[in-house]
Amino acid sequence: SQTIHQWPATLVQPVGSPLSLECTVEGTSNPNLYWYRQAAGRGLQLLFYSVGIGQISSEVPQNLSASRPQDRQFILSSKKLLLSDSGFYLCAWSTGTGELFFGEGSRLTVL
Amino acid sequence: RKEVEQDPGPFNVPEGATVAFNCTYSNSASQSFFWYRQDCRKEPKLLMSVYSSGNEDGRFTAQLNRASQYISLLIRDSKLSDSATYLCVFDTGTYKYIFGTGTRLKVLA
Repeated sequence: SQTIHQWPATLVQPVGSPLSLECTVEGTSNPNLYWYRQAAGRGLQLLFYSVGIGQISSEVPQNLSASRPQDRQFILSSKKLLLSDSGFYLCAWSTGTGELFFGEGSRLTVL
Repeated sequence: RKEVEQDPGPFNVPEGATVAFNCTYSNSASQSFFWYRQDCRKEPKLLMSVYSSGNEDGRFTAQLNRASQYISLLIRDSKLSDSATYLCVFDTGTYKYIFGTGTRLKVLA
């Protein structure tokens, strides 16, 4: 069966520090991969999606970036965090024709 | 028009009540529709897909109205455990999935 792992689960970072969140999917090949962010009390905002290795589509201009170095690995990064980057980051995968499956999320607090 | 509009609630209903949520979308190219449930500080989980003919899963019924571009979720005989935020989701026809802001439901004893 397919599983999705996302880490770290929680992190507290100072403004201006770098960020790296990692997500891996097991049990499927060539998944579509997604990064969403949910600010406190808000809806899910699509940040990036990828339909293949090295293919990244960005939805919202910001100081975040994403990479897909391997078929089932998706990484969200930032060189310098802002206060506004705080939120609940969710990685998800789909086959492209069905529903999204989410990781357990990474809760980021920028101080 | 916004891509998706969903009443944020909260909907406070007594146990046993029937409650319905709607969600409107603007992208006529959308082919896949879903309802997700999100508990506080957790990831969203699929509640049910929404099919053109309507579909039912126990106490939950989902419907799609393509002409008016909305989907609905009906919950019958509400339980305390149904308290959560319900998110409507649709695809844009280009690999992207767009979420509504969610409707909060509180079922009261």
